[in-house]
Amino acid sequence: EIVLTQSPGTLSLSPGERATLSCRASQSVSYLAWYQQKPGQAPRLLIHGTFSRATGIPDRFSGSGSGTDFTLTISRLEPEDFAVYHCQQYGNSFRTFGQGTQVEIK
Amino acid sequence: QVQLQESGPGLVKPSETLSLTCTVSGGSISNFYWSWIRQPPGKGLEWIAYIYYSGNTNYNPSLQSRATISVETSKNQFSLRLNSVTAADTAVYYCARDAFRSSHLDFWGQGILVTVSS
Repeated sequence: EIVLTQSPGTLSLSPGERATLSCRASQSVSYLAWYQQKPGQAPRLLIHGTFSRATGIPDRFSGSGSGTDFTLTISRLEPEDFAVYHCQQYGNSFRTFGQGTQVEIK
Repeated sequence: QVQLQESGPGLVKPSETLSLTCTVSGGSISNFYWSWIRQPPGKGLEWIAYIYYSGNTNYNPSLQSRATISVETSKNQFSLRLNSVTAADTAVYYCARDAFRSSHLDFWGQGILVTVSS
């Protein structure tokens, strides 16, 4: 099983600031996806194939990385971006998720 | 726009079987893979299983001995059964669509909380 470790656990930022979220894999993975989850809601797909934004996702969200180290960047936080973010790997073994990073208002 | 809706009991007794159904609307269940994922309260997501509309399946090894996923194409539904449940199976259960086999998940249901308790 590929273990994904997300850091930090909580990120405290102000609207307008840049958010950088990390997802590290226990071994090399082929592809990474990122999801946003708000309280009481299902996850929403943001990024797939490591770099590609899902339909309707604004361009302030971007994904990067390869091998074992991946990053989700939110260039300028909007009020609606404060949520929990999950990474998920696929293409190797069965799908696994990270434990999530909460982006909270500072 | 594809929509998914989970249904089933919200309370299951220990040692019994959890049974959930996902109804797909706004599109056909054919030609796609469909998954179940769960999220214990305050914790991360765990993929459980997927099924292709033709019936091919794949399971998380940690749950394979207890989980069964099935599909009923005539009703545009797929289902999950998890037997011998314990309190550790208490979670929000989501159904979702695989964009392609064992990939990212592009459409999700709203989730259903299942509590295992006597």
